[in-house]
Amino acid sequence: DTAVSQTPKYLVTQMGNDKSIKCEQNLGHDTMYWYKQDSKKFLKIMFSYNNKELIINETVPNRFSPKSPDKAHLNLHINSLELGDSAVYFCASSQLGQVNYGYTFGSGTRLTVV
Amino acid sequence: KQEVTQIPAALSVPEGENLVLNCSFTDSAIYNLQWFRQDPGKGLTSLLLIQSSQREQTSGRLNASLDKSSGRSTLYIAASQPGDSATYLCAGVDSNYQLIWGAGTKLIIKP
Repeated sequence: DTAVSQTPKYLVTQMGNDKSIKCEQNLGHDTMYWYKQDSKKFLKIMFSYNNKELIINETVPNRFSPKSPDKAHLNLHINSLELGDSAVYFCASSQLGQVNYGYTFGSGTRLTVV
Repeated sequence: KQEVTQIPAALSVPEGENLVLNCSFTDSAIYNLQWFRQDPGKGLTSLLLIQSSQREQTSGRLNASLDKSSGRSTLYIAASQPGDSATYLCAGVDSNYQLIWGAGTKLIIKP
C-alpha cells in the first residue's frame, strides 16, 4: 500500500522521558511534515523537510528535534517530555511545488504524558 | 495572511438528507484546496483535492467546488449516511506551499 505510516499509534509516557515517533512514506514525495493537533483540534505545522533539508521550523521548543535520514523518512524526537506535549502528532508528505498532488497524512500518534 | 474559516462548526441532520459544508478563505492566491475527513481518535483521510485551475471535483456522493474569486469552497454530500459522521476539515495551500487549515465542521448524521 502506498501511504504515510507512522509509529507508534499510541504512546503513553511519564514526564521527563525522551521518546521518538517515526514516519515513513513510500509515495516518492520530496517533502515531509510534522503537525501537532491540540485538544481544540487545531492542526499546527511544526517542521518540514524537503529532500532531507529543514525548510520550515515553526516556534517549537528545542526539546523537539526532527531528523530526516533520507527523503522517505522523517522522525521526531522529543526530550524531557512535559504534560503540555500531550497531543496527536501527524506526519504528512507532499511533492513540493506539485500542488496538484495534495498532502497525504499518516494516521497520527496519540501522545499522552502523565 | 491566509485564513480559512469553516461554517458551521457543527451540523446534525437526519439520514438521507443532502447537505453542504462551507469553507471560506481570505486570500484568493491559493494553489489548491483539499477536503479531509477525521473520525474520532483517527487520522486524516483526504477526500477531494481541487486545483486552483479547477472548479469542482467529484468522488462518489461527494462533490467539492472552488470559487477563488469569492474565496469559497463547498463540500456537498448527497444522500447522507450515519457513516458520514465525522469532522470535515478544509485546507488551502498558500503561496508558500503551506497548508492553512480551517477549524473543521463536526457532522452528525442521525439514523
